Amino acid sequence: KAGVTQTPRYLIKTRGQQVTLSCSPISGHRSVSWYQQTPGQGLQFLFEYFSETQRNKGNFPGRFSGRQFSNSRSEMNVSTLELGDSALYLCASSLSLNEQFFGPGTRLTVL
Amino acid sequence: TQLLEQSPQFLSIQEGENLTVYCNSSSVFSSLQWYRQEPGEGPVLLVTVVTGGEVKKLKRLTFQFGDARKDSSLHITAAQPGDTGLYLCAGGDGKAAGNKLTFGGGTRVLVKP
Repeated sequence: KAGVTQTPRYLIKTRGQQVTLSCSPISGHRSVSWYQQTPGQGLQFLFEYFSETQRNKGNFPGRFSGRQFSNSRSEMNVSTLELGDSALYLCASSLSLNEQFFGPGTRLTVL
Repeated sequence: TQLLEQSPQFLSIQEGENLTVYCNSSSVFSSLQWYRQEPGEGPVLLVTVVTGGEVKKLKRLTFQFGDARKDSSLHITAAQPGDTGLYLCAGGDGKAAGNKLTFGGGTRVLVKP
């Protein structure tokens, strides 16, 4: 069974731009969660989508948004990029609680 | 806000030695998960513990969940270079429906041959 895939793997943007990251979950998984990983703050929860609805949300500003499609694929968008948004963005899918499978991440660099 | 503190932050040992990583919180978690992450990859789930006092063994790795479900430990026996990586604990928020994990800061383990 294919794992979680994320595209693109690497991205370079400049301040003020916006970016969209994509995540394809493991087949059959309906829950998709997004996390931001930085050296200073570690892994922080952004949001979770389940059946096209946002089920949980972390403490990030409104510039961070996401959505989920009927095939469970998910996208997250960051608008008006700031230098501090440079991070590894991880997507995780799950079939049940307490078991999340992570993708390889998208490394975003904001210049 | 639930917080998880991991200690130590960094551990360097020789092959064959034992090591223990700790994960502590003042909050109660519905579940506690341990992940290992290698450079350029996402975290890989090692184990999930859900019952206070629970002990799980995975080959040379032993995981324990505290009786009060506020802390956990990971013990590796006879560490090997392949155990090198970033170990992360993550707590599940039982109050939130669905998946919302709080991660510890991580313990970077280096096992030298």
